Amino acid sequence: DAGVIQSPRHEVTEMGQEVTLRCKPISGHDYLFWYRQTMMRGLELLIYFNNNVPIDDSGMPEDRFSAKMPNASFSTLKIQPSEPRDSAVYFCASSLAAFSNQPQHFGDGTRLSIL
Amino acid sequence: GNSVTQMEGPVTLSEEAFLTINCTYTATGYPSLFWYVQYPGEGLQLLLKATKADDKGSNKGFEATYRKETTSFHLEKGSVQVSDSAVYFCALRFKNTDKLIFGTGTRLQVFP
Repeated sequence: DAGVIQSPRHEVTEMGQEVTLRCKPISGHDYLFWYRQTMMRGLELLIYFNNNVPIDDSGMPEDRFSAKMPNASFSTLKIQPSEPRDSAVYFCASSLAAFSNQPQHFGDGTRLSIL
Repeated sequence: GNSVTQMEGPVTLSEEAFLTINCTYTATGYPSLFWYVQYPGEGLQLLLKATKADDKGSNKGFEATYRKETTSFHLEKGSVQVSDSAVYFCALRFKNTDKLIFGTGTRLQVFP
């Protein structure tokens, strides 16, 4: 079975540019999560969706960050304009309906470097 | 509030040594508990889970027991291998929320 698919795997861009990260969740999963991982702050939840609807975006750091889920099989996380402090690994994860023992399945991440 | 505390890393062991990575939690209620593992360059993978007190989760030789009395979920393995080198995350999740609360992760380094 295909897992969570993220693209690109690596992104290097200059400060001020728009960055778009993409995620395809596991088919049939109701929940989609976006995380950011850095050495300093560890793993942070940015936003999550249930049935394509954003439920909690309290972890989104600034208005420069936005996320969408236009359908059940696709989500994007956009940073505009990007800054060097946005450099991190961004993970997407998906899970089945909210029973507490359902695990989240993670993609391999996008390593983002803002110069 | 609800939180997870893990022991600081890195944990450095020789192959075949016994492993313990401590995890304690603070929570109102009875969450489900998870251990995730992150190998270099990859995302997190579920290693094992336990959904109620005294449950023991196990996978790939790793075990952890849900201890309500000590609010702990320590990860153990009797004989580690070099291939176990990774970062290990303890996490909890409640039935009435959708979010996982992660610990900060503990890096394990196993040398031959």
